[in-house]
Amino acid sequence: SQWGEENLQALSIQEGEDVTMNCSYKTYTTVVQWYRQKSGKGPAQLILIRSNEREKRSGRLRATLDTSSQSSSLSITGTLATDTAVYFCATDGGSALGRLHFGAGTQLIVIP
Amino acid sequence: EAAVTQSPRNKVAVTGGKVTLSCNQTNNHNNMYWYRQDTGHGLRLIHYSYGAGSTEKGDIPDGYKASRPSQENFSLILELATPSQTSVYFCASGDRDIQDTQYFGPGTRLLVL
Repeated sequence: SQWGEENLQALSIQEGEDVTMNCSYKTYTTVVQWYRQKSGKGPAQLILIRSNEREKRSGRLRATLDTSSQSSSLSITGTLATDTAVYFCATDGGSALGRLHFGAGTQLIVIP
Repeated sequence: EAAVTQSPRNKVAVTGGKVTLSCNQTNNHNNMYWYRQDTGHGLRLIHYSYGAGSTEKGDIPDGYKASRPSQENFSLILELATPSQTSVYFCASGDRDIQDTQYFGPGTRLLVL
């Protein structure tokens, strides 16, 4: 398996709080992508961070990548109820074939 | 805006029947993918394609076939559907030029009775 942890995790927080979600992976990757999936929808990419980057920001989102520990995190500041979703990280396993390996995800519930 | 559509959106099939799930993309992406998603799990890759006429096996191809007749269309075929194939199926398109970002369709909910 690509991932160190396979089970879907769940987080429940109050609107306005900040949150950080983590993922770890077993094999080399050239990029880590974070996707968000809202209920009844397909996943949509939020942010992409390359292996030569340590941090990437986009609006209220901040992604980090630590290639030495093979881990990545996604932080959301000032959460909104509309951030309620499942968040996945995905890696390419170092492959040039365009395949992505998705983790089981984190279910985030933001309570208004 | 990238666009991936899937049909049907919901399907009820009988065990042993044939099911075809269709996907269309207007992104002109070379790569297309079929995943299944089961409750509490991430996305698992069934088949993928690098272009018209090509199909490759993903991580869980058993019981599924794929067809890519054109750049725009990618189908997933269950020749003999089984209840264990009850799931939500997602199609996606992507390309190396966009760092393999994948654009997903809305999903097809399949129930095999």
